[in-house]
Amino acid sequence: DAKTTQPTSMDCAEGRAANLPCNHSTISGNEYVYWYRQIHSQGPQYIIHGLKNNETNEMASLIITEDRKSSTLILPHATLRDTAVYYCIVGGGSQGNLIFGKGTKLSVKP
Amino acid sequence: SQTIHQWPATLVQPVGSPLSLECTVEGTSNPNLYWYRQAAGRGLQLLFYSVGIGQISSEVPQNLSASRPQDRQFILSSKKLLLSDSGFYLCACRASYEQYFGPGTRLTVT
Repeated sequence: DAKTTQPTSMDCAEGRAANLPCNHSTISGNEYVYWYRQIHSQGPQYIIHGLKNNETNEMASLIITEDRKSSTLILPHATLRDTAVYYCIVGGGSQGNLIFGKGTKLSVKP
Repeated sequence: SQTIHQWPATLVQPVGSPLSLECTVEGTSNPNLYWYRQAAGRGLQLLFYSVGIGQISSEVPQNLSASRPQDRQFILSSKKLLLSDSGFYLCACRASYEQYFGPGTRLTVT
């Protein structure tokens, strides 16, 4: 599976948008971009995924560059409960394995 | 949606003792099942995955083993625990693009 690069940590003010970047320059044509988050002492939680087009759901938006070598997860109005480690993963479709990296530790501050 | 049950939630075991962690899944059929481990302060490490009953693939060499006796049951075992087996063990299930995680078992080997 392709590897991803994410910043180790980020801060965000409560109520502001949190923009989490991810580089995946070696992504192959049939690999998806997935985002998960892990709140302390819990299992990871699925957020969103995409292939080429930008995606939005009730939790977040995913912006994928045209060359697919990077993406950004956007939490439009961060709350204190969004404090977590956010993982960007690239991998195959519904049958592939997801290999988690170290992720970005997002701290939302009042 | 899928629900994943794991027990026990916490476990303290002496070195050299056996281990059996059970995971059961509701709400889906023929899912891919996974065991991950997260050591303290570290990322998630994929240990085993299964695409069907009796089919187990190991991602890393270790003194752990896994079995899938039924479609929605996944078991992680060890004959003799090591100190390095301490960690947070997570079972995950995937039937589509989204991967769902159980609540985890926190294992401390003393």
